[in-house]
Amino acid sequence: EVQLVESGGGLVKPGGSLRLSCAASAFKFSSYFMTWVRQVPGKGLEWVSSISGSSGYMYYGDSVKGRFTISRDNAKNSLYLQMDSLRAEDTAVYYCARGRVGALRDAFDIWGQGTMVTVS
Amino acid sequence: DIQMTQSPSTLSASVGDRVTITCRASQSISSWLAWYQQKPGKAPKLLIFKASSLESGVPSRFSGSGSGTEFTLTISSLQPDDFATYYCQQYNSYLYTFGQGTKLDIK
Repeated sequence: EVQLVESGGGLVKPGGSLRLSCAASAFKFSSYFMTWVRQVPGKGLEWVSSISGSSGYMYYGDSVKGRFTISRDNAKNSLYLQMDSLRAEDTAVYYCARGRVGALRDAFDIWGQGTMVTVS
Repeated sequence: DIQMTQSPSTLSASVGDRVTITCRASQSISSWLAWYQQKPGKAPKLLIFKASSLESGVPSRFSGSGSGTEFTLTISSLQPDDFATYYCQQYNSYLYTFGQGTKLDIK
């Protein structure tokens, strides 16, 4: 079964750091753009960052640019989000998601279950 | 950034009703629009991509239409499982943006 499983969330103090991971299974991970999307509980969805299959292209939302770093390890079928200089407004559930056909401009067809990050 | 505006924010309907949710983009996005369904405590689920293409496994009572700046999601006959929050998302630009969501609840 095609699956994404996030881990690494937790409670961190303002100014601290956290690294999220997303383990992919049952598909050719290296062929797909991968994305992080976050959601403040009870609120809407916000795109955070995307990375191409080869890691040649990385994109960030304005609210996290310069503080977050997306990366991937295709040998380990894993996606990461290094979050530094965390702020209270970064508190959210973080989802990893797969681009449907491997292009940059893509809908997200597979989502993980999410991992909660609390900055307080 | 492209702004996405959904209406209504909340919609009350009954099983068997036909419902329509609208999504407007602040500039043309061609057909680069997706619709997602989200239930409490769960990840979003892709329903429609490229404005009108039904994702595999999604019931045919869901349909999407539109292009440019105005789009609709229609559920032809509401089922109990359809009560959820729906989001549109543009992917014309890699600066992806989502609508604020439409909560569909039981009348």
